[in-house]
Amino acid sequence: AQSVTQPDIHITVSEGASLELRCNYSYGATPYLFWYVQSPGQGLQLLLKYFSGDTLVQGIKGFEAEFKRSQSSFNLRKPSVHWSDAAEYFCAVGASQYGGATNKLIFGTGTLLAVQP
Amino acid sequence: EPEVTQTPSHQVTQMGQEVILRCVPISNHLYFYWYRQILGQKVEFLVSFYNNEISEKSEIFDDQFSVERPDGSNFTLKIRSTKLEDSAMYFCASSSGRGGHNEQFFGPGTRLTVL
Repeated sequence: AQSVTQPDIHITVSEGASLELRCNYSYGATPYLFWYVQSPGQGLQLLLKYFSGDTLVQGIKGFEAEFKRSQSSFNLRKPSVHWSDAAEYFCAVGASQYGGATNKLIFGTGTLLAVQP
Repeated sequence: EPEVTQTPSHQVTQMGQEVILRCVPISNHLYFYWYRQILGQKVEFLVSFYNNEISEKSEIFDDQFSVERPDGSNFTLKIRSTKLEDSAMYFCASSSGRGGHNEQFFGPGTRLTVL
C-alpha cells in the first residue's frame, strides 16, 4: 500500500541554521512526490515537486529536496532558515487508480518546525 | 493570483445535523478534491471529482457524504448526518489537469466542529 512517513513530528532550529526534514515513501511505481507547507490559518502551499528527471529539485522560498530511489526518500532541505519558515511541513506522494482520471495525494503526518531567534 | 476559497472558515453543528461545506475552485480548473485533517492527524483524501462525477473516493467517503458542483463555480461537500468523529479541518483542492505532476491548489480549509 502507498504510504508516506515523516519520522520527525517536531523540529526546532535556530534562525540561520540549516534544515533537513525527512520523508520516506512506499509506492510501487515511480512516485510523484511533493512537499507542502501549512502556516497557521492557511491552506497547504506547494513548495516543490518531483516526478522525473533531475533528482535534486528546487522550490520556492529557498527550499530544495532530493529524491533518492535507493532509500525511498525525499528529504527537504534549506541552507539557512528564516523565522518566517516556522510552519508545518507535509510530504506527499501522488497516487492514482489504474485508469483513473485523477491523482489523489497521500500525506505524511507532518513535521512542525519551530525557529528560535 | 488565483486561489481556492472555502466558506465558512469555521462551522459548529450539532450531531445528526446536515452540513454543507462550500468551495470555489480556481476558475479554469477541471479536477476537484476534498481532503480532511482530524486534529493531530495526517491530511486524508476523501474524494476526487471530474466531469460532474466522482472519479475516486476513499473508504472514509461513505453514504453520509456527497459532493456536487451545482453551478459553474462552486464545489460542495455535504455531510448528511454529522457524527462527532466528523470534526476535522476540511480542505478543498483543484487542479488544471490529470496526472500527478499537476499541482493541486488547496483552499484555507473549513474547520468543522460537531458537538
